[in-house]
Formats: sequence, structure tokens, C-alpha cells
Amino acid sequence: DAGITQSPRHKVTETGTPVTLRCHQTENHRYMYWYRQDPGHGLRLIHYSYGVKDTDKGEVSDGYSVSRSKTEDFLLTLESATSSQTSVYFCATRTGGGNQPQHFGDGTRLSIL
Amino acid sequence: GQQLNQSPQSMFIQEGEDVSMNCTSSSIFNTWLWYKQDPGEGPVLLIALYKAGELTSNGRLTAQFGITRKDSFLNISASIPSDVGIYFCAGLLSGTYKYIFGTGTRLKVLA
Repeated sequence: DAGITQSPRHKVTETGTPVTLRCHQTENHRYMYWYRQDPGHGLRLIHYSYGVKDTDKGEVSDGYSVSRSKTEDFLLTLESATSSQTSVYFCATRTGGGNQPQHFGDGTRLSIL
Repeated sequence: GQQLNQSPQSMFIQEGEDVSMNCTSSSIFNTWLWYKQDPGEGPVLLIALYKAGELTSNGRLTAQFGITRKDSFLNISASIPSDVGIYFCAGLLSGTYKYIFGTGTRLKVLA
């Protein structure tokens, strides 16, 4: 949907290691978002971007950082992964401001042992 | 933070039955979205609503934007096995770039 590719799709790593997830979009959408999905919590916003090099925090941003050096890529980094960050991570994009809907990638399943 | 109360959390229905679910909030939204998520995939947009009172259909799905702008409803008519999945609502807070999501309704259809 909306040409969104997340990589990797699955990853298992150890506590304390750095992890970077990539979201790549081909639709030239201005806005990009990172969510995590956990049972009982639905989708919670981690960080979002409203343009190249313009990012802001969501509701669960602690322990995560993001970067957007070009329109098509939005990176999510866990500087030192913890077991509480085991989750499924989704990237979403939308074309512009106002009330345009978001479209999602297929997710990255991250397990931190 | 902001929350959307989505109900029911889960439901089992017989094939051919109609299904209703809703989302409510104490906040006012200027857009409501409904998504469906299948296992191992990302949410897929079903219906978008932009005006209070708006009623929009997509095949057997019908959604409404509540008059108070604090709620939205999704109905599925004549359910079929492929309707199985998790349905999410999302509301866009006025003046923000951020959508708030409900916790989902898990639908299971018994053939």
C-alpha cells in the first residue's frame, strides 16, 4: 500500500545491542510515522516526520530516535535495545497535511532476548 | 495520552450475520478512519470520514462519523469468512498531524 517497504521484516537481537529499522516509500509522501503494536495497546505513535530533517516525538518515544535525511526514507533506531521494546513496528505515510489518511507498511517483528 | 475506546474487543458471529462496532472518545476529531488488519500484515484502509454526520459505504461496509464528532461506527453486512481480522478506528485530532488509534475489534466468523 502506498509503496511502503519496511526492512527487515523480522529481527531477533540481544539486549543492549543497537537496532535500526528502515521505512522506504516511493510515493513522495511528506509525512511519515513509526508506530509500535502490542497486545492490548493497539498502535502507539513513537515518532513522526513532517518533512526532511523535521521530526517530532510521539507518545512512546523514550529509548527511540529517528532520522530522515531524504523524503523516501525514515529510520527508527533503538540505541540500546531492551526486552520491553520487543514488538511489531509499523511505518505509515501520508501525502500531505490536512486530513489525508495514513497508509501502512507490512511491519517489522522485532524480538529482543 | 489521548485514547479511543473501541468496542467490542472481540466478537464471534455466524456467516451471513451483520456486525456493528464503534469507537468513542472524550475528544473531538475532524477525521475518522477505519482499517482492517490481517495476521502478519499492516492495517489496510477501509473507509475515511471527513464530516460530522457523514455516512460512507465500501461494498458491504458502512461507516458513520458521529454528529458530536466524538464517535464513529462501522457496520459489516452479511459477513463472510474473509471478514475475519482486526478492525481499528483512528481519529485525527484537530490541528495535529497525529492519528489516535483504538485498540481494535477482533472479528471471527463461524462458517
